[in-house]
Amino acid sequence: RKEVEQDPGPFNVPEGATVAFNCTYSNSASQSFFWYRQDCRKEPKLLMSVYSSGNEDGRFTAQLNRASQYISLLIRDSKLSDSATYLCAVNKPGAGSYQLTFGKGTKLSVIP
Amino acid sequence: NAGVTQTPKFQVLKTGQSMTLQCAQDMNHEYMSWYRQDPGMGLRLIHYSVGAGITDQGEVPNGYNVSRSTTEDFPLRLLSAAPSQTSVYFCASSYSKDRRNTEAFFGQGTRLTVV
Repeated sequence: RKEVEQDPGPFNVPEGATVAFNCTYSNSASQSFFWYRQDCRKEPKLLMSVYSSGNEDGRFTAQLNRASQYISLLIRDSKLSDSATYLCAVNKPGAGSYQLTFGKGTKLSVIP
Repeated sequence: NAGVTQTPKFQVLKTGQSMTLQCAQDMNHEYMSWYRQDPGMGLRLIHYSVGAGITDQGEVPNGYNVSRSTTEDFPLRLLSAAPSQTSVYFCASSYSKDRRNTEAFFGQGTRLTVV
């Protein structure tokens, strides 16, 4: 099992749709989980940190399932501007965010 | 707010040349890291630093050196460039607060081509 795995997509969804991404991780001792957004030819930017209780920010909801070792990102009411690649990141156990392992990313295209 | 600044943004090198990619952060973050991003491979950790004077290897360190003489700066040196080092390089900084790891903040990247 790879350390961090994501469905590469692409996900092509119409405006207003709800879309969900999953990301699995292999090391059960990991403690910190993040979703990043990366636009074409740009740097990754934090979308959400993922907390054990789950967290929501507007149209975005992130959840952590420790038993099954995955994190999820739900985007409701998709906008054209949500088109990007979404990266999940997990810290190496015992390390801070200076040692993140990233998934390969899931590409989302929101179409009019 | 400058955040994490990388220079240069673009660079073309000939095989065998050496160069240094610069990274500076003005947020007083204790941690800094270098990643490379290749198509289909995601971001991979090259080297990281947990404080001035302390560095360690990541997943793909071969062919690269780093140093951290100050909190602000974390340069990445390519010793003898190879075509396999053609990539986009990202520098990142982060810190911990109340035993919780914050997210990593990324610079805008350096696009390096080795011919």
